[in-house]
Parts: sequence; C-alpha cells; structure tokens
Amino acid sequence: QSVLTQPPSASGTPGQRVTISCSGSSSNIGSYSVNWYQVLPGTAPKLLIYKNSVRPSGVPDRFSGSKSGTSASLAISGLQSEDEADYHCAGWDDTRKSVIFGAGTKLTVL
Amino acid sequence: QVQLQESGPGLLKPSETLSLTCTVSGASMTATPYYWGWIRQAPGKGLEWIASIYYRGGTHHNPSFERRAALSMDTFNHFFSLRLTSVTAADTAVYFCARHPATVLTDWYFDVWGRGTLVSVSS
Repeated sequence: QSVLTQPPSASGTPGQRVTISCSGSSSNIGSYSVNWYQVLPGTAPKLLIYKNSVRPSGVPDRFSGSKSGTSASLAISGLQSEDEADYHCAGWDDTRKSVIFGAGTKLTVL
Repeated sequence: QVQLQESGPGLLKPSETLSLTCTVSGASMTATPYYWGWIRQAPGKGLEWIASIYYRGGTHHNPSFERRAALSMDTFNHFFSLRLTSVTAADTAVYFCARHPATVLTDWYFDVWGRGTLVSVSS
C-alpha cells in the first residue's frame, strides 16, 4: 500500500477539466514539495509538475499543480485524448528516508 | 537533448544478481551537477525509487534496497549501472533509469527518464 494515496482511476470527456488528488501526511506532503509524472506504457515517463506547481519547459499550461496541507492535486484542463495515461505523484518522506510515489491514477478520456 | 536507454538481461533466476546499464546520450554526465538514478515499477504497482548516484560518485539509497543495490558510473563512456543481488520474484518489474538535478535531497524530482526495461525473475 502506497504512502501517498491516489484514486485508482479518473475520467473525463474531451475539453473537460479533471483533477487528480494525492493525499499524504506530515512526514511527506505536509513538509516537502510534490512532483507529478505522466506514464504511458512503453514510453519514458514524463515530468509534468515539480515543486508543487512548476511546469518544466514544454509541458502545456493545461497542466497545473497545487498543494495544501497534506494533500496535493494535479489539474488537467481542456482534456485531450492524448492525456489518457497513468499519473503518479511523488515526493520525499522523512519517516522512510526515501523518495516515495503514489500508486498512480489511470486517466481515461471518454 | 539528453536521452537515457536501459539495457539488461530480461530474465533471471531467483538468487541471481541483476545487472542493468543506462546509457546517456546528448549530454555530458559531468557538465552540470546531476544525480543519475534507478526507479522500478512492478506489475500492478506504483513506482519505487531504488537508488541514485551523484556525478562525482556519492550515492543515496532507498533504505529498502540498502543491502542489495549497488551503483556505479563510467562518465567517460557515458553510462551508469545498477547491481541488485539475490533477486526474487518480487523483483520482477520494469526498471527505469532517470536523471535528477542535484538539489537538496528532499526536493528531488526526475526530469529525464528512459523508456524502461522489463526484468522477470522466474525459476
């Protein structure tokens, strides 16, 4: 069971706005920054958001991240079919002294 | 543009040692301070960080892999490697190599990844 809790699935129709949550505790999200990755089978995972809300160069501004207390969220607006993928949150955990990941949320574009 | 490519055996038997290599192209491994790391994803599970090596050679491990994982690097030939000893079926996973900026430990994020290589452990 992952330390960071994500819903196993999410869905939306093209053009919609979808939000994926990541819930943790004071030893991880509550104290440190959160990063988000997009994973498609057979391809290199892609960094979408780092330090809670910063988008790397090349990531569309449809993707945004936020953090409040011990939870973080990834929002995708203007949903597109190519956004269908697994999304993982990640960050440092003081108890485990390790980078940890959520189990991932599978996003389906209907 | 930096690219990473994993290579490895594909199939091992329990108790054997897994050796994986990540070839780095498009950038020097030492030009700017980065860590080079390994992450895996077992079937149906989330991602799991294994360990990372600094471009000057220091390492950090996930405590769960402290005893079994060893990292090395060859910056001249542009690759770094993972050795994982005493593998079991639980080590069956897709193994990714990745780069991350040498920020403070608690701020680590992986900005470039390889496509991953599947490693299966079965007798």
